[in-house]
Amino acid sequence: GEDVEQSLFLSVREGDSSVINCTYTDSSSTYLYWYKQEPGAGLQLLTYIFSNMDMKQDQRLTVLLNKKDKHLSLRIADTQTGDSAIYFCAESKGWNNDMRFGAGTRLTVKP
Amino acid sequence: DAGITQSPRYKITETGRQVTLMCHQTWSHSYMFWYRQDLGHGLRLIYYSAAADITDKGEVPDGYVVSRSKTENFPLTLESATRSQTSVYFCASSEGLNTEAFFGQGTRLTVV
Repeated sequence: GEDVEQSLFLSVREGDSSVINCTYTDSSSTYLYWYKQEPGAGLQLLTYIFSNMDMKQDQRLTVLLNKKDKHLSLRIADTQTGDSAIYFCAESKGWNNDMRFGAGTRLTVKP
Repeated sequence: DAGITQSPRYKITETGRQVTLMCHQTWSHSYMFWYRQDLGHGLRLIYYSAAADITDKGEVPDGYVVSRSKTENFPLTLESATRSQTSVYFCASSEGLNTEAFFGQGTRLTVV
């Protein structure tokens, strides 16, 4: 099947930028998502990008998409301790349709 | 409470037993989904439903049964639980195929 891969851990200092990377294999992916999962909670949609875009910015979040390399990244500027969570990359052909998730990157923010 | 809720939050069951995980949403969303979350695999879609009485298989449906007699409820049943079904199960709902999916808090199921 098609895969979505992410590194499992990332540790940064408070105030630094965090960059979480994701690669996917399905070239027909239309929607790419970033979800955040805090301890004991469900997944919360952070942001998403259409495959015909290469960048999307939303306050401290910047999503970059390299469709040729099938590489997606999430940059969090001025990372705070409240950003500590697991971040999931996901892709789908249709919105919410048969989404495929990566294993999640656990972001730890140190004071 | 408004939103999407799963019950129970934690469940331990024995191999071979039937167990049902409940999911309830108060928004009257048409679409509901069940995922399982395993270390190293992210979330994988088990079943989804587009409306009451309409369900379809996802990526990993074997060993699971779903029903959707009412729009707000989407129970997931493990007919004969196996250890490989030990996982965290997430339910989600969305209004349509062009709207955000909202996730429940998850049910941690352990099969011993």
